[in-house]
Formats: sequence, structure tokens, C-alpha cells
Amino acid sequence: GAVVSQHPSWVICKSGTSVKIECRSLDFQATTMFWYRQFPKQSLMLMATSNEGSKATYEQGVEKDKFLINHASLTLSTLTVTSAHPEDSSFYICSAGGTSGSSSYNEQFFGPGTRLTVL
Amino acid sequence: GQSLEQPSEVTAVEGAIVQINCTYQTSGFYGLSWYQQHDGGAPTFLSYNALDGLEETGRFSSFLSRSDSYGYLLLQELQMKDSASYFCAMMDSSYKLIFGSGTRLLVRP
Repeated sequence: GAVVSQHPSWVICKSGTSVKIECRSLDFQATTMFWYRQFPKQSLMLMATSNEGSKATYEQGVEKDKFLINHASLTLSTLTVTSAHPEDSSFYICSAGGTSGSSSYNEQFFGPGTRLTVL
Repeated sequence: GQSLEQPSEVTAVEGAIVQINCTYQTSGFYGLSWYQQHDGGAPTFLSYNALDGLEETGRFSSFLSRSDSYGYLLLQELQMKDSASYFCAMMDSSYKLIFGSGTRLLVRP
């Protein structure tokens, strides 16, 4: 199946700093990538939909100026948490879909996630 | 609005069969997916139903009834490694996935 990687897998940062998380589709081209956030023992909440070459579409309640998303190529999307605070500590997961080849539209391939801890 | 409901926890013994139900509400529906997530890990895709009926993949089967806005995941011959959280998720017209709250399955010896 298709492989999606995320980097870093975990990060600890001080309050007020910015953190960039990369999401890469390794063996396919992803026209659409999705970013989710998951707090402990809770469900995945969609934050935004990222389309290659265009602005991301944010879900209601997600601050676009705080969570900057860039999808500059068909294999890379980045999420930058700006001025991070302890309440931003969470598990951030990306997924890729809408590809040709082995992937069909009805399946999203998830990255392994990035655990962010803000002190 | 869009929402999915599933039980919060289910417990079963090794070798048994367990069914995890999911009901949903949405204005635009393209299909129901099921994902498994172990603690600390990312979700892994289990199955997808776009049409009514049963889809079988090994020990896992998934069922959908669009008229009832209802689906379920059936796990047979339970193994200890099946202990995990299971999420139903619906896909809308823009291919976004909306996840249910998750069902924590505990398999006991």
C-alpha cells in the first residue's frame, strides 16, 4: 500500500516557539492531504484540507494564522504550529488521498503521527 | 450537521465474535470506513462500504445500511492483538473523513 511519512515523530518545545511538521507521500503523488489532531483518548478531529498549489481549507474553529499549512508539491505538505502553547500539545496526524495508481479515492493513507509537547 | 455515534467500550474474550455498531447523520454521504488504532499509533484502514451490504476481509467484516444510516464492524476469532480503538468514519462529497468518537475494544484471555 501507499506510504506516508511524518517528521518529526515527536517534538518537545518551549511555549512561544514555532514547530514545523512535515508530511510526505513516499511512493505516490498526493493531490490532497489532510491534517488531524487527536487529544488523548479522543477521536481524530480534522483540522484542514490541503490541496497542492492552493490555499488550505480550514475546519470551523481552527485558527488559520496559528496552524499554517503549505502544500507546495505533490509529495509534501507541512503544518507549522506558530507560537505554540501547552494547550497545543497533541498528536498531529496527516493523511493523503485522491491519488492515482494503487490508491483509490475511498481510502486515506495515514502518516505515523507527530506527538507535540509544549512546555 | 454531521455526526457519528458508536459505543465507547466493548469487552470480549479471545476467540469470540464482537460487533461494533455505528450510526451516522449527514447531509452528504459517500461511504463508511473503519479504522483501527493502537495506543500511540496512527489509524490503519480496515474496510470501506459505499453500498449496502457486507464486505468481508479475513477476520473482519463491515456492513452498511444507507437507509438506516447504520453500519457495523464485525471481528471474528478475536485475538489479544485486536485490543485497540476502532473508529467508524464517513466520507463526504469533498472526500473528507469525519470520525466517530471511537470504540475501545478490550480482548481478554
